[in-house]
Amino acid sequence: DVKVTQSSRYLVKRTGEKVFLECVQDMDHENMFWYRQDPGLGLRLIYFSYDVKMKEKGDIPEGYSVSREKKERFSLILESASTNQTSMYLCASSSTGTSSYGYTFGSGTRLTVV
Amino acid sequence: GIQVEQSPPDLILQEGANSTLRCNFSDSVNNLQWFHQNPWGQLINLFYIPSGTKQNGRLSATTVATERYSLLYISSSQTTDSGVYFCAAYGGATNKLIFGTGTLLAVQP
Repeated sequence: DVKVTQSSRYLVKRTGEKVFLECVQDMDHENMFWYRQDPGLGLRLIYFSYDVKMKEKGDIPEGYSVSREKKERFSLILESASTNQTSMYLCASSSTGTSSYGYTFGSGTRLTVV
Repeated sequence: GIQVEQSPPDLILQEGANSTLRCNFSDSVNNLQWFHQNPWGQLINLFYIPSGTKQNGRLSATTVATERYSLLYISSSQTTDSGVYFCAAYGGATNKLIFGTGTLLAVQP
């Protein structure tokens, strides 16, 4: 069974801390994505990556950075966490080729910044 | 980029009822997916359906690409169908999946 694994289910951090959210996929997918989900706003794309060491900004990249040193791992970094970054963070992966499965999502990390 | 709109935003059903959720998109698409988000936040793929019709048990989906809409049918609804249903799409050269704001479904016993 294909799998996208996010390292933490729940996370509480203090304002100003540097926060790392990790995502690992075992499907050899080229593409990986980070979304955040907020009530009434749906899912919004933060960053994505088409290949190792490549990254592109999504719709709301401010306050975030990413790292993709290996194909299977995509990390989201909050350089200095703020309360407005309290949210549900979802990682996804997909294959560049034709796929009958499209995107596969991890189970999410609910981050609270206090 | 592609705009994705879903309707209705909220829906309450009695167990056993049928329902239709709609997704409109603004441009031609290469990928159209329906997801169900369960109460624990997990997004589950329901259908990958850029065109045509697919069925999986009590669920089915139809995408009419030329008219830029997709429908998700839920028959004989159960309480476990509750949650948020998202439609998402991308098209052209981009590989970025754009989500609608979802339909919140509550199925009451």
